[in-house]
Parts: sequence; structure tokens; C-alpha cells
Amino acid sequence: GQQVMQIPQYQHVQEGEDFTTYCNSSTTLSNIQWYKQRPGGHPVFLIQLVKSGEVKKQKRLTFQFGEAKKNSSLHITATQTTDVGTYFCGSFGNEKLTFGTGTRLTIIP
Amino acid sequence: NAGVTQTPKFQVLKTGQSMTLQCAQDMNHNSMYWYRQDPGMGLRLIYYSASEGTTDKGEVPNGYNVSRLNKREFSLRLESAAPSQTSVYFCASSWGPGELFFGEGSRLTVL
Repeated sequence: GQQVMQIPQYQHVQEGEDFTTYCNSSTTLSNIQWYKQRPGGHPVFLIQLVKSGEVKKQKRLTFQFGEAKKNSSLHITATQTTDVGTYFCGSFGNEKLTFGTGTRLTIIP
Repeated sequence: NAGVTQTPKFQVLKTGQSMTLQCAQDMNHNSMYWYRQDPGMGLRLIYYSASEGTTDKGEVPNGYNVSRLNKREFSLRLESAAPSQTSVYFCASSWGPGELFFGEGSRLTVL
């Protein structure tokens, strides 16, 4: 797999505020995937990015893949209580997916 | 569709006991994976199988063995459980380097 570092580890935001989590690698990544895990649940795939500079949107979620393909971000606009959970990035290499340590998002109502 | 099914959902073992976690997928995926999840450590890959008949070590394989019984099934065995193996275990499958589909997880406690 390809090693990725994810920050921050925790984030507490007021409902309605924005949230961003970042993934960084010292090497060029072939792709980046993002997953969401609700408390007590299992990871669920959100999106995959493969192209340099790629930006994809899913409603209030915006995903970016850096120009150098060494970093990625997930931005949530105007958070809602349903956004609570842990967000993981991961990258495929040598037939396996390696995950970052995740960012746990807590929403303060 | 069932997707990825893991059994058991919960298990308590004593140190030194053995057990096997079962995983089956009905999506005809080639690749299957076992991860463990510990607080603050994210998802760490234990073993994976890129195709039927092949298995490879991941980041944390020590203390575990796997069997890719057929295309559908990928089992994880703990031969002599240790408290450090207390964790939540997830099985996943995929069509090669694409979306991973996860099972609901197996919560294992080793006393």
C-alpha cells in the first residue's frame, strides 16, 4: 500500500460550520479513496479520485486531489448532525488499500 | 443482496484459545481483505487475497493466518489469542483497485 497521513485526528464543530480533513503522502499516489464510518458502523465508500487536480462534489461534500497527487482533502459545507462519524482516506498500491488514521468529526448542536 | 457477511459478530476468548472469523461475499469480487480497527489507529490491514488461491501479508500479520477457501470465502484464524488482539475486525472485498465493500465487523475481546 501507499502510506498516507491524515489530519486532524479529531474535529469538533458547531452545526452549520464547515469541516475539512486532509490526507498527505511523501510519495505520489496512484489514487485516493474516501470512506465514512458512522459510530458503531462499518466504513462506507464515498468516492475515488485518480486524476491530478481532480475535484468532485457530492452535495455538501467536496473532494480534491492535489496537482502533485501527494495530497487530498474532503470539505463539508454547513455540517449537519448526520455528518457525525470518522472519515478515512486510503490509497491503493500493490493490490491493497492502505488507510490513513482517520478524522473523527463531532457535531455540537 | 447480502454483500459481505462476517461471523461471529461478537466473541470473547481467553488467552491462548483459538478461533476463526468467517467472511463471505456474494458480489463475485476477486479481492478480499481483513482489517483490524483499534482506537486512534485507524484501519490496519492484516492479510489480503488479490485472487482465489493467493494470500499476502499486510501491515500487521503476526499472530494470524488466513485461508481463501474459494472465491466467496476468506477466513481469518487466531491460533493462540492474546489480549493485544482485542479489536474490531472487518472483512472487505473489491473488484481489484476499486471501491471496498465492508462487512459489519466482528468485535473480539481476549481476556
